Amino acid sequence: QKEVEQDPGPLSVPEGAIVSLNCTYSNSAFQYFMWYRQYSRKGPELLMYTYSSGNKEDGRFTAQVDKSSKYISLFIRDSQPSDSATYLCAMRNKAAGNKLTFGGGTRVLVKP
Amino acid sequence: GAVVSQHPSWVICKSGTSVKIECRSLDFQATTMFWYRQFPKQSLMLMATSNEGSKATYEQGVEKDKFLINHASLTLSTLTVTSAHPEDSSFYICSATGQNLEKLFFGSGTQLSVL
Repeated sequence: QKEVEQDPGPLSVPEGAIVSLNCTYSNSAFQYFMWYRQYSRKGPELLMYTYSSGNKEDGRFTAQVDKSSKYISLFIRDSQPSDSATYLCAMRNKAAGNKLTFGGGTRVLVKP
Repeated sequence: GAVVSQHPSWVICKSGTSVKIECRSLDFQATTMFWYRQFPKQSLMLMATSNEGSKATYEQGVEKDKFLINHASLTLSTLTVTSAHPEDSSFYICSATGQNLEKLFFGSGTQLSVL
């Protein structure tokens, strides 16, 4: 079993819909949780960075962390075709320094 | 946000030759850099971690004599794929972080094609 599980998709939604993404993990020591967006043949771009449980909002993006359930989510409101990309969750614990453990990524397609 | 520059963005080489990929932190001192490999439709696979001035730490299964990593300064790390073969064809990505920086910033990636 992988440390971090993420549905590969593809997830297809109409423009304007809410995109809902999630990851589950098994290592209870993870403390820092991130969401990256990656366009084809490009490096990942950091979207959201959260520490421990709770919600964080930034523009159209909302990240949620539920450490008791070992479950994290990313919501994208008012989705646009430019949001079509692969979304990767990543997490780390302080003991591992800055070494990240990634989910497999979810491919999202927002149709005009 | 911090900027990490990676070059070249793509490279084609003949089998048996060596290829060098550069990763630079432009506006911060990168005390730690990571090198990843990514196959199509797959997630990033960590190859090695390098701290400035120290030897790189390679992940299990990664040949350190084949993938040479140098992190000689606080702004530059290089990955050299030695005696490249077609199976080394992949997308290589670097990332960097600095002291007191909790976040990791990625380069734009290098597509390597070995003929």
